[in-house]
Amino acid sequence: GNSVTQMEGPVTLSEEAFLTINCTYTATGYPSLFWYVQYPGEGLQLLLKATKADDKGSNKGFEATYRKETTSFHLEKGSVQVSDSAVYFCALRLIQGAQKLVFGQGTRLTINP
Amino acid sequence: EAQVTQNPRYLITVTGKKLTVTCSQNMNHEYMSWYRQDPGLGLRQIYYSMNVEVTDKGDVPEGYKVSRKEKRNFPLILESPSPNQTSLYFCASNPGQLTDTQYFGPGTRLTVL
Repeated sequence: GNSVTQMEGPVTLSEEAFLTINCTYTATGYPSLFWYVQYPGEGLQLLLKATKADDKGSNKGFEATYRKETTSFHLEKGSVQVSDSAVYFCALRLIQGAQKLVFGQGTRLTINP
Repeated sequence: EAQVTQNPRYLITVTGKKLTVTCSQNMNHEYMSWYRQDPGLGLRQIYYSMNVEVTDKGDVPEGYKVSRKEKRNFPLILESPSPNQTSLYFCASNPGQLTDTQYFGPGTRLTVL
């Protein structure tokens, strides 16, 4: 079946540290890949996306590259801030126009000053 | 302001007492979805709607109903809630088939005793 696996959390880092949150997927066909972020008490917001192999999505200093050969979409940021503390979800969508997002379990990130 | 709104934000109820969670979007989006978020499971789709009077089941539809009588509204109905429906619920919408971004509401935390 189609699924997304994220690294186990929670993750705790110091401000200005380098961040990687791993995400791998299993899918039939060619999915689009997404990272969503959920700040405390809020709904999910799209952070970045990539729709085909080797695409790099980027936003707010975060980056992720669609790697078809390793079926991965790892999230990275070079220098995290306290305001990056949130829950991060990796997700896939199977075909353009399909309405269902398949989510990973989420990774809670806490950044300490 | 473009947004998806949900009401109520918090609800505590008892087993078997029918309830409705409302969802409304002001962006004239065609597609709307309901998800539930549970620890360790990420978000799972309950139902979705492609347009007025067009709805279909997601991954976990049992115990839920939806309706789409107007484009802007997509209520989630629990006819006879049970404790295993205690969860955090999110409504989402997106413009149409050629877009990838879903916009999420702020969430409704439901507790069924």
